[in-house]
Amino acid sequence: DADVTQTPRNRITKTGKRIMLECSQTKGHDRMYWYRQDPGLGLRLIYYSFDVKDINKGEISDGYSVSRQAQAKFSLSLESAIPNQTALYFCATSDFTPGQGYNEQFFGPGTRLTVL
Amino acid sequence: QKEVEQNSGPLSVPEGAIASLNCTYSDRGSQSFFWYRQYSGKSPELIMFIYSNGDKEDGRFTAQLNKASQYVSLLIRDSQPSDSATYLCAVRPYSSASKIIFGSGTRLSIRP
Repeated sequence: DADVTQTPRNRITKTGKRIMLECSQTKGHDRMYWYRQDPGLGLRLIYYSFDVKDINKGEISDGYSVSRQAQAKFSLSLESAIPNQTALYFCATSDFTPGQGYNEQFFGPGTRLTVL
Repeated sequence: QKEVEQNSGPLSVPEGAIASLNCTYSDRGSQSFFWYRQYSGKSPELIMFIYSNGDKEDGRFTAQLNKASQYVSLLIRDSQPSDSATYLCAVRPYSSASKIIFGSGTRLSIRP
């Protein structure tokens, strides 16, 4: 089974609809992230969470909200979807070790969202 | 200025040659640097990380870091068609040590 899963994998919705993207992980990591990827713009951070009680905005959080329901679950919501939110969305997780110089992020398979 | 900059490519390299991918960053205090590979339609996967000046080798891959010039590069020796992918440079900036910033990626194509 995949360590980081995302549902749905593909979604087409209409402008103004509320939509939720879900992410689950079995890696036991405390840190979880939501990114969106657009052609030519790379990965941009939407929100991140370092534990269940910690939620932080990324560089492009406007129009999005998140919920950390448990250590293993991190959901991204679009309250009122608009066409420019059409993108590929990735969830990622990472561990943290004090004093370690890096922490690899492990990505889910992605959700392709189209807003008409 | 973008925090992490990469040439979008595509970079076309003949099979068996050395592919050289470059990345520059703006935060001089950045400490950790990563190269992720992303195949079309797939999620990124980490292939190299480096945090000290100089070279770090892992199989056919070598990461090079020059903090004074604020660039990091990835060399792929004996390029194979399976190396065709987009390569994302990522940096942990000193200004925000809790997350990493990705470049827009360089698309690499290995031609037989």
